[in-house]
Amino acid sequence: DTGVSQDPRHKITKRGQNVTFRCDPISEHNRLYWYRQTLGQGPEFLTYFQNEAQLEKSRLLSDRFSAERPKGSFSTLEIQRTEQGDSAMYLCASSLVDSYNEQFFGPGTRLTVL
Amino acid sequence: AQKVTQAQTEISVVEKEDVTLDCVYETRDTTYYLFWYKQPPSGELVFLIRRNSFDEQNEISGRYSWNFQKSTSSFNFTITASQVVDSAVYFCALSEAETGNQFYFGTGTSLTVIP
Repeated sequence: DTGVSQDPRHKITKRGQNVTFRCDPISEHNRLYWYRQTLGQGPEFLTYFQNEAQLEKSRLLSDRFSAERPKGSFSTLEIQRTEQGDSAMYLCASSLVDSYNEQFFGPGTRLTVL
Repeated sequence: AQKVTQAQTEISVVEKEDVTLDCVYETRDTTYYLFWYKQPPSGELVFLIRRNSFDEQNEISGRYSWNFQKSTSSFNFTITASQVVDSAVYFCALSEAETGNQFYFGTGTSLTVIP
């Protein structure tokens, strides 16, 4: 399968713990995006990479959120000191370098913070 | 301010009826792209269509059609002869040249097709 994959699909954690999610984009796609989706809302943009460069991160929700894409392939999104308000679906998408090509989305990681 | 507005939160139709999902956008950019995505119960967003700001030609793909009108800043989506498999949440999204690659999504319209 050559779609976007995300791991884990579900994560339950206790408040205050750190969590890390992984995204593997479509192999020839050099742009990778992270979004957050809460219940009843559309995806909310967080950050994106072109190859290994993080070109936009001002929309990350707080300094507890960080993302990396060290070799321009897979990416990780880390949330430190999780809070109950962080409970959401975290979506990853990838696209070709043309900004206006459609983004292909992964299945998401559902985070529940107890 | 919300850049993409989908005023219809939930719609229910009986199978074989036609249904139109509304999308109104707001932008000052002259170059922008509009998208529709489908999110079935399984959760994965599926790309349906992209339209750029310079192409107002309407498009038809099978039972799906899209009506783009710059004069009213609208990009509406019509499903003809709806089927149960069309039941999903549909999102309209905007991408602006000035803000690069960010997608601005609407809040979605949940469509239920009743057999």
